[in-house]
Amino acid sequence: LAKTTQPISMDSYEGQEVNITCSHNNIATNDYITWYQQFPSQGPRFIIQGYKTKVTNEVASLFIPADRKSSTLSLPRVSLSDTAVYYCLVGGDNQGGKLIFGQGTELSVKP
Amino acid sequence: DADVTQTPRNRITKTGKRIMLECSQTKGHDRMYWYRQDPGLGLRLIYYSFDVKDINKGEISDGYSVSRQAQAKFSLSLESAIPNQTALYFCATSDGNFNEQFFGPGTRLTVL
Repeated sequence: LAKTTQPISMDSYEGQEVNITCSHNNIATNDYITWYQQFPSQGPRFIIQGYKTKVTNEVASLFIPADRKSSTLSLPRVSLSDTAVYYCLVGGDNQGGKLIFGQGTELSVKP
Repeated sequence: DADVTQTPRNRITKTGKRIMLECSQTKGHDRMYWYRQDPGLGLRLIYYSFDVKDINKGEISDGYSVSRQAQAKFSLSLESAIPNQTALYFCATSDGNFNEQFFGPGTRLTVL
């Protein structure tokens, strides 16, 4: 399973765009990149998933360069309620359903 | 009603006791998972199941056992609880796209 590296913490202010970058140098050809959000004492929640280039949904955008060795989760105009831990995961279904969560990035949004 | 439920939500027990945590889902998913989370850390996979007769060990299965009684139910047991099993336990389900798992609200277990 590809190892991921992301910043331990980030600070932002309401209304700003936040970009969280994840490194995954050993990503395999069949691997997808997935991001989860977790609020304190709650289970993680799927945010977005992509394979290459750019994916956008109602919550976030995911940018993946051509070499796929990194990815960036972009949260537009964050609010206080976006304060959470964000996890970057890399893997594919051939790994038997194993999701490997790292420490994640603790995002703190201030007023 | 929540799609993935866990009982109990909180449990305090003593060393050596047998504990069972239960998970039920109404999503109709075949795949179910048990994770534990320690403070400041990510989740670690304990066991997972792709079907009623399928049980697989995860990263940290020692000291735990599971039972998949039906498609909708997946139970985690601690045969003889110890203090370092104090953690937040999450159950999750997926429909085959393993990247998208749906998590329950968690069970906070304290072993004294």
